[in-house]
Amino acid sequence: QKEVEQNSGPLSVPEGAIASLNCTYSDRGSQSFFWYRQYSGKSPELIMFIYSNGDKEDGRFTAQLNKASQYVSLLIRDSQPSDSATYLCAVRSGGYNKLIFGAGTRLAVHP
Amino acid sequence: DTGVSQDPRHKITKRGQNVTFRCDPISEHNRLYWYRQTLGQGPEFLTYFQNEAQLEKSRLLSDRFSAERPKGSFSTLEIQRTEQGDSAMYLCASSRLAGGAEQFFGPGTRLTVL
Repeated sequence: QKEVEQNSGPLSVPEGAIASLNCTYSDRGSQSFFWYRQYSGKSPELIMFIYSNGDKEDGRFTAQLNKASQYVSLLIRDSQPSDSATYLCAVRSGGYNKLIFGAGTRLAVHP
Repeated sequence: DTGVSQDPRHKITKRGQNVTFRCDPISEHNRLYWYRQTLGQGPEFLTYFQNEAQLEKSRLLSDRFSAERPKGSFSTLEIQRTEQGDSAMYLCASSRLAGGAEQFFGPGTRLTVL
């Protein structure tokens, strides 16, 4: 079982719709959760982080965390073609500082 | 606020050669991380420094790989006797010591081993 799992996609949504990206993790000791956006050929860019159960909103992005279900998600409202990228979920566990990444979900927003 | 920088951005080498990459973290960040990313995968942790101390090293990191951060500022990652399987994007990230320690990535060094 992979430590962090994401659906590889592609997830295709029309412009203006809500894109929902999901991630599950195996380590119950995980404390911090991150979403990175990665355009093709570029490095990951941090877009959201969440540490507590519930929702966290930042502009068009909402991160949701459910530690009991070991599930974290990212919602992108009013999706734009410029949101088309791979979204990486990352988890930091326990006393360790390294991030464990999922393989990413490719999002395609079509006009 | 200057971001993380890496040099070189691209490196092509022949199998068996040694290569060295450099990373300059965000200036006030105490922690520095190296990751490797291959096509279709998320970044994979290699090693991590807090100031000049190397505190964690992946079990996947063979003894051909070595990293240093001699003065707690920039870091170097050396790969000796490169193999074709070393071809990947090598990413450096840095974070603060306190708080949630969000990690910010540099642009990466793309290594191609022929």
